[in-house]
Parts: sequence; structure tokens; C-alpha cells
Amino acid sequence: EAGVTQFPSHSVIEKGQTVTLRCDPISGHDNLYWYRRVMGKEIKFLLHFVKESKQDESGMPNNRFLAERTGGTYSTLKVQPAELEDSGVYFCASSHWVETGELFFGEGSRLTVL
Amino acid sequence: AQKVTQAQTEISVVEKEDVTLDCVYETRDTTYYLFWYKQPPSGELVFLIRRNSFDEQNEISGRYSWNFQKSTSSFNFTITASQVVDSAVYFCAPPPGDNQGGKLIFGQGTELSVKP
Repeated sequence: EAGVTQFPSHSVIEKGQTVTLRCDPISGHDNLYWYRRVMGKEIKFLLHFVKESKQDESGMPNNRFLAERTGGTYSTLKVQPAELEDSGVYFCASSHWVETGELFFGEGSRLTVL
Repeated sequence: AQKVTQAQTEISVVEKEDVTLDCVYETRDTTYYLFWYKQPPSGELVFLIRRNSFDEQNEISGRYSWNFQKSTSSFNFTITASQVVDSAVYFCAPPPGDNQGGKLIFGQGTELSVKP
């Protein structure tokens, strides 16, 4: 069974540009999460999808971030325009059951904004 | 609000030593889950264990063991006879409450380095 896959593994962009990160969850997992770790700080929750619906987006930092999950399969996280403080590692995770807390994480997408 | 403290930022041991990673949490909830995740050099976060606050029995899985003490709000993780492959960053994480299992709050992590 394939795990959670994220693309790209590393992206380097200039301030003001746009970047789109993609996450393919484990097949059959309705729950999809985005987390991120910016330099020197903790891993922080961004948002949670249940199928194609946003269940909780309380962690999204501002309106420069847009997450979508069309059709309830893969998800994209777009940052537009990117700022220096957006640099970090963006993790995607999926799970079958919400209550267990057992999330399956991808390897993360490292974003560097210059 | 939930809060997690992993006071040890970095730990370095020599292979075969035992090592304990500390985790202290704060919560107002009476029932909750606690988790440990491992982040190896490859980058992904790997689920290690989930404990329910009702169950204070220590758990052992191979070389890994967990000591959960509700009275001291601690959920420590011990690796016995450490190996180089155990080198990773380890995160303790409780959910924020209200059974929001997927919305984890991560501690700062403890980077464990096991040297041969």
C-alpha cells in the first residue's frame, strides 16, 4: 500500500512568487491534514479535510494560503504571494479514523522563500 | 489549552546505551490521548504509540517503552540498548481536546543522536 506522497520535496522560490504543494493521501483515507514547521518552531496544524470539505482551517496563518481537495482525493496547498516567513517544511497526513489520532505523514515539502 | 514541553532539545548517546526522552503536558481535559511520533532523517513523521489517559500501565514494545504518569503529567519514552537507526527527532503530542484526534499539538521535539 502506498503511503502519503508529497510533491515537490523541495521548492525554492522568490518572495512574491506562487507555489503549489501537492499531497496524495493513502487511498481510502477520508481525513487529510496539513501541518507545517517553520524554522526553529514547533510543527503546527494548518487544516483538516474530511473528504472534500474543510473540517477545520483554524491553523491557516492568513489568506495567502489556500488549500483545496477537489473530489476528496489529493489536496493542494497554494501560497500566493509567498513571503520569507513561509519558509519551512509542509507536512501532509491522512487517516482513516479521526478519533485514534494515528496519522500517516508524508515526507514533507520543504519550501524556501528567498 | 493543551501544551507540551519536551525539555531536552538534543540528546547524544553511544550505541547500546539506554535513553529516556521526557514529555510533560498540560491539559484541562479529564480524558485524552497522548502520542509519540518519530521523524527519521528521511523526513516523514512516523506514529509510534497512542495512550489513553485512563490507562496508566507502562507499555513495552521491543526496545521501546513508555511510562505514563497522570499525576505528574508526564509521558516519557525510553529506548533500551539504543541503535544508530534510532537517531531521529522524537515528538510528543497530545490532541487539543474534544477528541480532535487529528489536530495534534506537537512539542518542540528531542533530537536523538546515537553514535556507533
